[in-house]
Amino acid sequence: EVQVVESGGGLVRPGGSLRLSCAASGFTFSDFIFNWVRQAPGKGLEWVSSISSSGYYIYYADSVKGRFTVSRDNAKNSLSLQMNTLRAEDTAVYYCAREIQDDGTNWFDPWGQGTMVTVSS
Amino acid sequence: QSVLTQPPSVSGAPGQRVTISCTGSSSNIGAGYDVHWYQQLPGSAPKLLIYRNANRPSGVPDRFSGSKSGSSASLVITGLQAEDEGDYYCQSFDTSLSVSWLFGGGTKLTVL
Repeated sequence: EVQVVESGGGLVRPGGSLRLSCAASGFTFSDFIFNWVRQAPGKGLEWVSSISSSGYYIYYADSVKGRFTVSRDNAKNSLSLQMNTLRAEDTAVYYCAREIQDDGTNWFDPWGQGTMVTVSS
Repeated sequence: QSVLTQPPSVSGAPGQRVTISCTGSSSNIGAGYDVHWYQQLPGSAPKLLIYRNANRPSGVPDRFSGSKSGSSASLVITGLQAEDEGDYYCQSFDTSLSVSWLFGGGTKLTVL
């Protein structure tokens, strides 16, 4: 079964750090781009970061640039999101999503179940 | 406010048909980028519903259909069922922003 599973969420104080992980199984992890997408409580989806299959190309939303770092370990089929200098507005469920590329277009499938990050004093 | 505009809510009775629109611009949907749709049921993660404007993944009922024209796209749900109630998001790509991927603001579907 193709699946991705996030972990590492929790409660952290403003200015603190947290590291999220995403474990993949059921497919060849190193063949795919991965993304982090977050959803603040009661809000819509916001793309956060993308990392290419090799890890060479990395992109961030302006809202997290300079504070978040995405990385991957293809040998361990895992993805990470290091989040530093956290703010209250980073409070959200963070989803890991595999990016499918086909015939010049890309979409996200599957998504993990998400991990909740709460930034509060 | 999202660059991809969706109605905040739609509703319909069981068995009815509803349409959810996703309006973009010349830098995203209008530039030829494909639109994808995701369904998020209450308490669950988003799930791919329609990819490349009008294609259904295996397992998605044919009650769900998508289309794209110009700078807009639409998701149509026919034969509404109670289990369709949830949030629906469109997604596309935009070349004018620093953000790689765009999501619509989401539409809450209520089955009356």
